[in-house]
Amino acid sequence: DAGITQSPRHKVTETGTPVTLRCHQTENHRYMYWYRQDPGHGLRLIHYSYGVKDTDKGEVSDGYSVSRSKTEDFLLTLESATSSQTSVYFCAIRSGTGGTGELFFGEGSRLTVL
Amino acid sequence: SQKIEQNSEALNIQEGKTATLTCNYTNYSPAYLQWYRQDPGRGPVFLLLIRENEKEKRKERLKVTFDTTLKQSLFHITASQPADSATYLCALGDFSNDYKLSFGAGTTVTVRA
Repeated sequence: DAGITQSPRHKVTETGTPVTLRCHQTENHRYMYWYRQDPGHGLRLIHYSYGVKDTDKGEVSDGYSVSRSKTEDFLLTLESATSSQTSVYFCAIRSGTGGTGELFFGEGSRLTVL
Repeated sequence: SQKIEQNSEALNIQEGKTATLTCNYTNYSPAYLQWYRQDPGRGPVFLLLIRENEKEKRKERLKVTFDTTLKQSLFHITASQPADSATYLCALGDFSNDYKLSFGAGTTVTVRA
């Protein structure tokens, strides 16, 4: 168990409302990632962090922002949710210090935007 | 842009047979490739890593090959069991990219008893 928890696990919201998903780790890993998973697209990287207050964009970052004020927490915010952001969101941490460390994923947060 | 393709069709096999999954990529030169397993409603779980200078890796009943000339990885599950039923994802990475992994869409395997 890599010690990653995501919250909330399920959320239904309406278009235009803000949403924040939280990822919490107990392992003190430097790298954390937010992915979204949609049928036919696999996992696509939204944003990632390589340290406290150090974040960067992934391939599908439009409409999302992130923050990391402490090592253990990585927040993903949808400022104004749209139906296209209905998805399953996974947080992951990277193990080890080498370049090939595997990712440990959380259980996912299923978001439905009506 | 880089593209990663896995078997588009789900794989349905008889228990005891070998399942072979493919992962093809274009416009990319990964330094390593990883395979993950994902069960319904769960996050992916790491299975195997293979580097660009390795041809083959094994772990118990799993075998992975990596052919950088063909730009392809094959993932084999030998002596398959119903418990192997899941979706399998390949992921590619390199050392210059902040350790970001690019994932394929996955192949769903169902093993019939």
